[in-house]
Amino acid sequence: EPEVTQTPSHQVTQMGQEVILRCVPISNHLYFYWYRQILGQKVEFLVSFYNNEISEKSEIFDDQFSVERPDGSNFTLKIRSTKLEDSAMYFCASSETSGGAEAKNIQYFGAGTRLSVL
Amino acid sequence: GDSVTQMEGPVTLSEEAFLTINCTYTATGYPSLFWYVQYPGEGLQLLLKATKADDKGSNKGFEATYRKETTSFHLEKGSVQVSDSAVYFCALKGYTGRRALTFGSGTRLQVQP
Repeated sequence: EPEVTQTPSHQVTQMGQEVILRCVPISNHLYFYWYRQILGQKVEFLVSFYNNEISEKSEIFDDQFSVERPDGSNFTLKIRSTKLEDSAMYFCASSETSGGAEAKNIQYFGAGTRLSVL
Repeated sequence: GDSVTQMEGPVTLSEEAFLTINCTYTATGYPSLFWYVQYPGEGLQLLLKATKADDKGSNKGFEATYRKETTSFHLEKGSVQVSDSAVYFCALKGYTGRRALTFGSGTRLQVQP
């Protein structure tokens, strides 16, 4: 069964450093998403991406965050200068569409990258 | 804005016990509702969904009914197994065309043999 793959599973970084979290969405999917979950808190939406541009973002997704689809298979989240409060589990998801036929707009999630900022 | 409230965990049950995990929501219009499950070391997997009032989603013995009058989508299973031990997330996708899912805080289920 196709799946969303995220690497690395755990990333440790120093405060102020840049990190790039990587995701390989399901191959025929067109919509891509990042969510995060701070320990003990809710899973929160960060951003959605379609046709090489951001289609929606939350207030959490400020100027220190950026997303990119550098090639035909990868989708990345960059945090420019990490802060302690960026420590969280980051989930990537993808869907075939975002609306219309129900089965095609289901979001499939990866296993997550745990980011620890020291 | 949209929000989802789930019962606090952890929930600890013996094998074959009946499970209910409560979920209520606040949203405008008619959202779609989902339950996702996260097994240890894995990603969020869609367990079941319902897209309109009175719809019942079901999968792997789990069920949830979309109740608009009580704004609820409680997850139930008649007889849990040890393999059901996981974290369960209730989520909604707003009617307004937003692509983002709004999640509850998750409920950890521990089933003991």
